[in-house]
Amino acid sequence: DGGITQSPKYLFRKEGQNVTLSCEQNLNHDAMYWYRQDPGQGLRLIYYSQIVNDFQKGDIAEGYSVSREKKESFPLTVTSAQKNPTAFYLCASSLGRRPGEQYFGPGTRLTVT
Amino acid sequence: QQQVKQSPQSLIVQKGGISIINCAYENTAFDYFPWYQQFPGKGPALLIAIRPDVSEKKEGRFTISFNKSAKQFSLHIMDSQPGDSATYFCAACSSGTYKYIFGTGTRLKVLA
Repeated sequence: DGGITQSPKYLFRKEGQNVTLSCEQNLNHDAMYWYRQDPGQGLRLIYYSQIVNDFQKGDIAEGYSVSREKKESFPLTVTSAQKNPTAFYLCASSLGRRPGEQYFGPGTRLTVT
Repeated sequence: QQQVKQSPQSLIVQKGGISIINCAYENTAFDYFPWYQQFPGKGPALLIAIRPDVSEKKEGRFTISFNKSAKQFSLHIMDSQPGDSATYFCAACSSGTYKYIFGTGTRLKVLA
């Protein structure tokens, strides 16, 4: 089955610890995205990547980092510098050659205490 | 200029009624306008999308109406069903940036 997988579904961390969220796709898509979703605020773009070894900051990149070493993988690290990391994180991908359908993963709910 | 404004924030409709959600944008470079449906605890899924060369697109009970001059687009859900109860997001994207800008969402509840 083609799609996007995110793991884990739920993640708990202590304040001050870095944590890495996994995102893998087997759709052969060029573009990948990370969004943060908070209640009542919609989806806010953290980082996106149009091609391997290249990525751009989104609207709320502070306190986050990413890498894109493989086409299939786009992990997101939530660093201790992120002031309010508790949120629902969504990974997405799209073909990339022209704006079109974005496929979303099931999300990871991160809770930092 | 990058914002997409979505209204209403929440909507309650009787079963069989029409649900209408509206979005407005400023950036004329946007050339792709999708609507997503999201159930609690799940990732959004594409419902229907339109490009600015057409004014309307229909897929089953779902229709997008697009008004290029007013920079507005809307989602109509005909014969709304309780299973349609979800949060709906509009979005916009331009070929130049590949950034998708999302509206803040509309929580739809369809009463049985």
